[in-house]
Amino acid sequence: GAVVSQHPSWVICKSGTSVKIECRSLDFQATTMFWYRQFPKQSLMLMATSNEGSKATYEQGVEKDKFLINHASLTLSTLTVTSAHPEDSSFYICSARDRINQPQHFGDGTRLSIL
Amino acid sequence: EDQVTQSPEALRLQEGESSSLNCSYTVSGLRGLFWYRQDPGKGPEFLFTLYSAGEEKEKERLKATLTKKESFLHITAPKPEDSATYLCAVQALASGTYKYIFGTGTRLKVLA
Repeated sequence: GAVVSQHPSWVICKSGTSVKIECRSLDFQATTMFWYRQFPKQSLMLMATSNEGSKATYEQGVEKDKFLINHASLTLSTLTVTSAHPEDSSFYICSARDRINQPQHFGDGTRLSIL
Repeated sequence: EDQVTQSPEALRLQEGESSSLNCSYTVSGLRGLFWYRQDPGKGPEFLFTLYSAGEEKEKERLKATLTKKESFLHITAPKPEDSATYLCAVQALASGTYKYIFGTGTRLKVLA
Protein backbone atom coordinates (compact mmCIF):
# COMPACT_ATOMS: atom_id res chain seq x y z
CA GLY A 1 0.00 0.00 0.00
CA ALA A 2 0.80 3.74 0.10
CA VAL A 3 1.82 4.12 -3.53
CA VAL A 4 2.50 7.50 -5.06
CA SER A 5 2.75 7.76 -8.82
CA GLN A 6 4.55 10.65 -10.46
CA HIS A 7 4.84 11.36 -14.14
CA PRO A 8 6.42 12.01 -16.42
CA SER A 9 9.59 10.40 -15.13
CA TRP A 10 11.68 12.59 -17.37
CA VAL A 11 11.09 15.45 -19.73
CA ILE A 12 13.26 17.50 -22.03
CA CYS A 13 11.94 20.75 -23.41
CA LYS A 14 13.01 24.05 -24.85
CA SER A 15 13.61 27.17 -22.82
CA GLY A 16 10.46 29.26 -22.41
CA THR A 17 7.98 26.41 -22.42
CA SER A 18 5.83 25.30 -19.48
CA VAL A 19 5.96 21.81 -18.06
CA LYS A 20 3.36 20.08 -15.93
CA ILE A 21 4.22 17.26 -13.52
CA GLU A 22 1.51 15.10 -11.97
CA CYS A 23 1.55 13.39 -8.60
CA ARG A 24 -1.12 10.87 -7.67
CA SER A 25 -1.75 8.87 -4.53
CA LEU A 26 -3.05 5.55 -5.82
CA ASP A 27 -4.36 3.79 -2.73
CA PHE A 28 -4.89 6.43 -0.07
CA GLN A 29 -6.29 9.91 0.27
CA ALA A 30 -3.58 12.52 0.41
CA THR A 31 -4.76 15.43 2.50
CA THR A 32 -1.32 16.97 2.17
CA MET A 33 1.13 16.79 -0.69
CA PHE A 34 4.65 18.15 -0.85
CA TRP A 35 6.93 19.15 -3.71
CA TYR A 36 10.68 18.86 -3.41
CA ARG A 37 13.66 19.62 -5.57
CA GLN A 38 16.87 17.65 -5.36
CA PHE A 39 20.28 18.58 -6.73
CA PRO A 40 22.94 15.92 -7.40
CA LYS A 41 24.32 14.35 -4.26
CA GLN A 42 22.24 16.66 -2.08
CA SER A 43 19.24 16.08 0.09
CA LEU A 44 15.69 17.05 -0.74
CA MET A 45 14.76 20.71 -0.61
CA LEU A 46 11.12 21.43 0.17
CA MET A 47 9.55 23.80 -2.32
CA ALA A 48 5.93 23.90 -1.22
CA THR A 49 3.21 22.22 0.80
CA SER A 50 -0.30 21.87 -0.48
CA ASN A 51 -3.49 20.83 1.28
CA GLU A 52 -6.41 19.62 -0.76
CA GLY A 53 -8.64 22.49 -1.76
CA SER A 54 -6.31 25.16 -0.42
CA LYS A 55 -3.62 27.36 -1.87
CA ALA A 56 -0.12 25.98 -1.63
CA THR A 57 2.32 27.32 0.94
CA TYR A 58 5.69 28.06 -0.62
CA GLU A 59 9.05 27.95 1.11
CA GLN A 60 11.13 31.08 1.29
CA GLY A 61 12.91 31.78 -1.95
CA VAL A 62 10.58 29.69 -4.13
CA GLU A 63 8.83 31.75 -6.80
CA LYS A 64 5.14 30.98 -6.62
CA ASP A 65 4.51 32.46 -10.07
CA LYS A 66 7.10 30.18 -11.62
CA PHE A 67 6.13 26.99 -9.79
CA LEU A 68 2.34 26.71 -9.88
CA ILE A 69 0.88 24.06 -7.62
CA ASN A 70 -2.65 22.75 -7.76
CA HIS A 71 -4.13 20.21 -5.33
CA ALA A 72 -7.69 19.97 -6.54
CA SER A 73 -8.50 16.50 -5.23
CA LEU A 74 -7.44 14.12 -2.48
CA THR A 75 -5.45 12.04 -4.94
CA LEU A 76 -3.90 14.51 -7.36
CA SER A 77 -1.49 17.41 -7.19
CA THR A 78 0.25 19.08 -10.10
CA LEU A 79 3.34 21.22 -10.36
CA THR A 80 3.65 23.45 -13.41
CA VAL A 81 7.01 25.01 -14.12
CA THR A 82 6.13 28.09 -16.16
CA SER A 83 8.44 29.64 -18.74
CA ALA A 84 11.15 27.17 -17.81
CA HIS A 85 14.80 28.07 -18.19
CA PRO A 86 17.97 25.96 -17.99
CA GLU A 87 18.44 26.87 -14.32
CA ASP A 88 15.13 25.13 -13.59
CA SER A 89 16.64 21.84 -14.70
CA SER A 90 16.56 19.51 -11.73
CA PHE A 91 15.04 16.40 -10.17
CA TYR A 92 11.57 17.15 -8.82
CA ILE A 93 9.94 14.78 -6.34
CA CYS A 94 6.47 14.81 -4.86
CA SER A 95 5.23 13.16 -1.71
CA ALA A 96 1.89 12.61 -0.07
CA ARG A 97 0.54 11.75 3.35
CA ASP A 98 -2.93 11.24 4.73
CA ARG A 99 -2.48 12.23 8.37
CA ILE A 100 0.09 14.25 10.28
CA ASN A 101 1.59 11.30 12.17
CA GLN A 102 1.85 9.15 9.07
CA PRO A 103 5.00 9.07 6.90
CA GLN A 104 5.21 10.87 3.62
CA HIS A 105 5.27 8.53 0.66
CA PHE A 106 7.28 9.65 -2.32
CA GLY A 107 6.91 9.39 -6.04
CA ASP A 108 9.83 8.31 -8.19
CA GLY A 109 10.64 11.83 -9.28
CA THR A 110 10.75 13.72 -12.55
CA ARG A 111 14.04 14.56 -14.21
CA LEU A 112 13.50 17.92 -15.94
CA SER A 113 16.02 19.14 -18.49
CA ILE A 114 15.56 22.54 -20.11
CA LEU A 115 17.60 23.16 -23.23
CA GLU B 1 17.21 26.51 14.85
CA ASP B 2 15.88 23.07 13.88
CA GLN B 3 18.63 20.91 12.48
CA VAL B 4 19.23 17.33 11.40
CA THR B 5 22.73 15.96 10.87
CA GLN B 6 23.63 12.55 9.47
CA SER B 7 26.95 10.79 9.75
CA PRO B 8 28.98 9.47 8.18
CA GLU B 9 28.47 11.18 4.86
CA ALA B 10 29.62 8.05 3.04
CA LEU B 11 30.33 4.51 4.16
CA ARG B 12 31.89 1.55 2.39
CA LEU B 13 31.37 -1.87 3.92
CA GLN B 14 32.32 -5.36 2.94
CA GLU B 15 29.44 -7.75 2.56
CA GLY B 16 28.57 -9.08 6.02
CA GLU B 17 30.30 -6.23 7.86
CA SER B 18 27.71 -4.74 10.23
CA SER B 19 27.64 -1.03 11.01
CA SER B 20 25.44 1.86 12.15
CA LEU B 21 24.36 5.13 10.62
CA ASN B 22 23.67 8.13 12.83
CA CYS B 23 21.02 10.85 12.66
CA SER B 24 21.33 13.62 15.26
CA TYR B 25 18.65 16.25 15.63
CA THR B 26 17.79 19.41 17.48
CA VAL B 27 14.12 20.10 16.92
CA SER B 28 11.35 21.60 18.96
CA GLY B 29 7.97 19.95 18.73
CA LEU B 30 9.10 16.63 17.30
CA ARG B 31 6.31 14.62 15.67
CA GLY B 32 8.19 11.60 14.47
CA LEU B 33 11.53 10.61 12.97
CA PHE B 34 11.45 8.81 9.64
CA TRP B 35 14.07 6.73 7.83
CA TYR B 36 14.10 6.36 4.07
CA ARG B 37 16.23 4.61 1.50
CA GLN B 38 16.88 6.32 -1.82
CA ASP B 39 18.31 4.61 -4.88
CA PRO B 40 19.88 6.72 -7.67
CA GLY B 41 17.27 8.39 -9.86
CA LYS B 42 14.39 7.31 -7.62
CA GLY B 43 12.29 8.83 -4.90
CA PRO B 44 12.87 7.91 -1.25
CA GLU B 45 11.39 4.63 -0.11
CA PHE B 46 9.89 4.60 3.37
CA LEU B 47 11.57 2.33 5.93
CA PHE B 48 10.64 3.24 9.51
CA THR B 49 8.81 5.70 11.72
CA LEU B 50 9.90 6.29 15.32
CA TYR B 51 7.92 8.48 17.66
CA SER B 52 9.37 8.27 21.14
CA ALA B 53 12.71 7.71 22.85
CA GLY B 54 13.41 4.05 23.43
CA GLU B 55 11.38 2.92 20.45
CA GLU B 56 12.90 0.35 18.07
CA LYS B 57 11.77 -0.95 14.69
CA GLU B 58 13.19 -3.82 12.63
CA LYS B 59 12.92 -4.94 9.03
CA GLU B 60 15.13 -7.68 7.63
CA ARG B 61 18.73 -6.57 8.14
CA LEU B 62 17.78 -3.07 9.35
CA LYS B 63 17.02 -1.90 12.85
CA ALA B 64 16.21 1.69 13.80
CA THR B 65 16.44 3.09 17.32
CA LEU B 66 15.62 6.47 18.81
CA THR B 67 16.84 8.52 21.77
CA LYS B 68 15.96 12.09 22.71
CA LYS B 69 18.80 13.45 20.60
CA GLU B 70 19.57 10.92 17.90
CA SER B 71 18.55 7.89 15.94
CA PHE B 72 20.63 5.00 14.70
CA LEU B 73 20.05 2.77 11.71
CA HIS B 74 21.85 -0.50 12.36
CA ILE B 75 22.64 -2.69 9.36
CA THR B 76 23.42 -6.29 10.21
CA ALA B 77 25.37 -8.43 7.75
CA PRO B 78 24.68 -6.11 4.81
CA LYS B 79 24.45 -7.32 1.24
CA PRO B 80 25.35 -5.44 -1.96
CA GLU B 81 21.66 -4.76 -2.57
CA ASP B 82 21.63 -2.64 0.60
CA SER B 83 23.76 -0.07 -1.22
CA ALA B 84 21.80 3.18 -1.36
CA THR B 85 21.57 6.59 0.26
CA TYR B 86 19.83 6.47 3.62
CA LEU B 87 17.95 9.59 4.63
CA CYS B 88 16.48 10.51 7.95
CA ALA B 89 13.81 13.14 8.32
CA VAL B 90 12.43 14.72 11.43
CA GLN B 91 8.89 16.01 11.34
CA ALA B 92 8.38 19.25 13.21
CA LEU B 93 5.97 22.14 13.33
CA ALA B 94 7.15 25.04 11.20
CA SER B 95 5.15 28.01 9.96
CA GLY B 96 1.94 26.42 11.13
CA THR B 97 2.34 23.09 9.38
CA TYR B 98 4.17 19.84 10.00
CA LYS B 99 7.10 19.42 7.65
CA TYR B 100 10.10 17.20 7.23
CA ILE B 101 13.56 18.45 7.99
CA PHE B 102 15.88 16.14 6.09
CA GLY B 103 19.41 15.21 6.93
CA THR B 104 21.94 15.23 4.11
CA GLY B 105 22.01 11.44 3.95
CA THR B 106 24.56 8.66 4.24
CA ARG B 107 25.69 7.07 0.98
CA LEU B 108 26.23 3.39 1.71
CA LYS B 109 28.20 1.11 -0.58
CA VAL B 110 28.35 -2.60 0.24
CA LEU B 111 31.05 -4.49 -1.60
CA ALA B 112 30.67 -8.15 -2.55
